[in-house]
Amino acid sequence: DVKVTQSSRYLVKRTGEKVFLECVQDMDHENMFWYRQDPGLGLRLIYFSYDVKMKEKGDIPEGYSVSREKKERFSLILESASTNQTSMYLCASTQRGTISGNTIYFGEGSWLTVV
Amino acid sequence: QQQVKQSPQSLIVQKGGISIINCAYENTAFDYFPWYQQFPGKGPALLIAIRPDVSEKKEGRFTISFNKSAKQFSLHIMDSQPGDSATYFCAASMAPTNDYKLSFGAGTTVTVRA
Repeated sequence: DVKVTQSSRYLVKRTGEKVFLECVQDMDHENMFWYRQDPGLGLRLIYFSYDVKMKEKGDIPEGYSVSREKKERFSLILESASTNQTSMYLCASTQRGTISGNTIYFGEGSWLTVV
Repeated sequence: QQQVKQSPQSLIVQKGGISIINCAYENTAFDYFPWYQQFPGKGPALLIAIRPDVSEKKEGRFTISFNKSAKQFSLHIMDSQPGDSATYFCAASMAPTNDYKLSFGAGTTVTVRA
């Protein structure tokens, strides 16, 4: 069974704190993604990575950074959390190749509240 | 600015009825249109997908209809069941240059009443 695991399901952080969201996949996928999900806005791509140490900005990268030191692990970093980053964060992975030929697998999400 | 517009935001249907969700797009470079299903507390999962070279694709009770000239596509859930209650997202992608970027609609929450 394929698995994308987000270790922190629910977090409450204070404004200005540095926040790490961790994601691990066990499918040996090359591509990994971080999305943000908000009501009425759907899923918006923050960053993605197509290889170790490689990253590309998605549609809403401001206020976020990422790290991919190992193939199976992709971390999302909020350098200085703000209340407008309160959201659900979804990690996903897929094999290299055309998106139409490969399924994207999502984790169960990390609910972040910034107070 | 959302590249894929989805409606309605929510719908309620009786068991056995038909649920219809509509999506529209502007970018004619999109050529892959998946639908994702998300249950509460879970991540989205691929439900069904279509390429623009066909006008309809059916998998069990789920059917995608695609109208290339109108730049619209829709999901039909036939014989809706309480277990279909979930949030559904349409999405679109360009290939090959933007292979990994999916643009998602805002989502539709479907409630099937027994």
